[in-house]
Parts: sequence; C-alpha cells; structure tokens
Amino acid sequence: GAVVSQHPSWVICKSGTSVKIECRSLDFQATTMFWYRQFPKQSLMLMATSNEGSKATYEQGVEKDKFLINHASLTLSTLTVTSAHPEDSSFYICSARDRFLAGGYEQYFGPGTRLTVT
Amino acid sequence: GESVGLHLPTLSVQEGDNSIINCAYSNSASDYFIWYKQESGKGPQFIIDIRSNMDKRQGQRVTVLLNKTVKHLSLQIAATQPGDSAVYFCAESLTGNQFYFGTGTSLTVIP
Repeated sequence: GAVVSQHPSWVICKSGTSVKIECRSLDFQATTMFWYRQFPKQSLMLMATSNEGSKATYEQGVEKDKFLINHASLTLSTLTVTSAHPEDSSFYICSARDRFLAGGYEQYFGPGTRLTVT
Repeated sequence: GESVGLHLPTLSVQEGDNSIINCAYSNSASDYFIWYKQESGKGPQFIIDIRSNMDKRQGQRVTVLLNKTVKHLSLQIAATQPGDSAVYFCAESLTGNQFYFGTGTSLTVIP
C-alpha cells in the first residue's frame, strides 16, 4: 500500500517550453502533497505544499508563476514548469500524506521525474 | 526553509559492521524527525522516525538517537548489508507537515 507514482519518469524539453509533471497517490487519498527539487549530489529542497482544492503554498525563493501547481483531486497533483530553462534541469520528486492516517505525518514519496532542458 | 547541504559526505563500512550516520538539524523548535534512504535515481524511502519528546527509537536493525541539546540526530544500522548502500537523509519538521531535508550521507558497504 501507500504507493505514489509520477509521470513522466523522465522528460527532455527545449528551452522556453512548458512541462507538466503528474503526481498520483494510487491507493490512498491525499489532501496534501509536496513537491521537491533535487540537484545532483545534493539534498531535497522543498518547493511547495500542494493543497487539494486550494492554492499551493510556496517556499521562500520559489517562483509561483514559474512552477504552477494544481491539486484538483484527492489523488492527483500536477507541477508545471513554465518557460523552462537549462537551470531548471533537475530531479523533481513529489510526496503525499494519507488523509486518513490519524496522527501520522509520514510522507510517501514518488519515484521522481528527471527533467532535462536543452 | 531549513539549511540544505551543498556536498555529500561519504561513509564506507565493511559488510557486517555497524554504521553510524550523523545529522545536524537547524531548527531547535523542530518536533518531528525522519530518516530516509534514497537509492540512485529513486525517491526517498522512509526508514524510521522520532518525535522530540523521545531520545531514542528502535526499528528493525536501525536505531535513531536524538540529542536536542546539540540539535543532533544519528542513525545506527546494525550488521550493515550491501543493500544498505544508498544516500541517507534526515528531515526535520515543526508541525509534521513541511519537512526540510538535511545534508545527506552516502553510505557504501564493502562486501
């Protein structure tokens, strides 16, 4: 149980285009999902908290107009990287919390999406 | 957010030995802590967690120790196996909602 998927697993796009990454909780419902970015040999950096049915909460320094987050259902959050540039190339990872896990705070992570902007 | 490391410390241990991985967290008010294991090209996997009202918690082959005085966490892995080779991260949270990851440690187990 508690499986989170991401699609695509990897994507290559041209500079200036937009890319959408999906994060799905497969066997549980998630009112809250999180998006992280990870550069090679570095730690995970929390980008934003995705809230079902409401606006995402962005961490300081993360451009909300560049990284659009939509959490339209209890099992799906999407991250759209708009007008991507080579410096946006990174490993994007999402996580989700089970809304029915009373008192729990564990996050279940997806397998990540490797974005390369050429 | 909390501090993020810019390089990855490494630890090499012989198979069968015990491993100790350390983490310095940044916010003295953090109440929740989790250790994650990340294999190359994959998302993090939960290993063990601890709340700030505890100083030790044991799981299967793993033990987490929390020292709030010096803002230090450690993960002990008993009888380390080749499958334990990965990058290990500690993560801290004030509320149990947003978690902030510390500098990871790359563990290599030598057969």
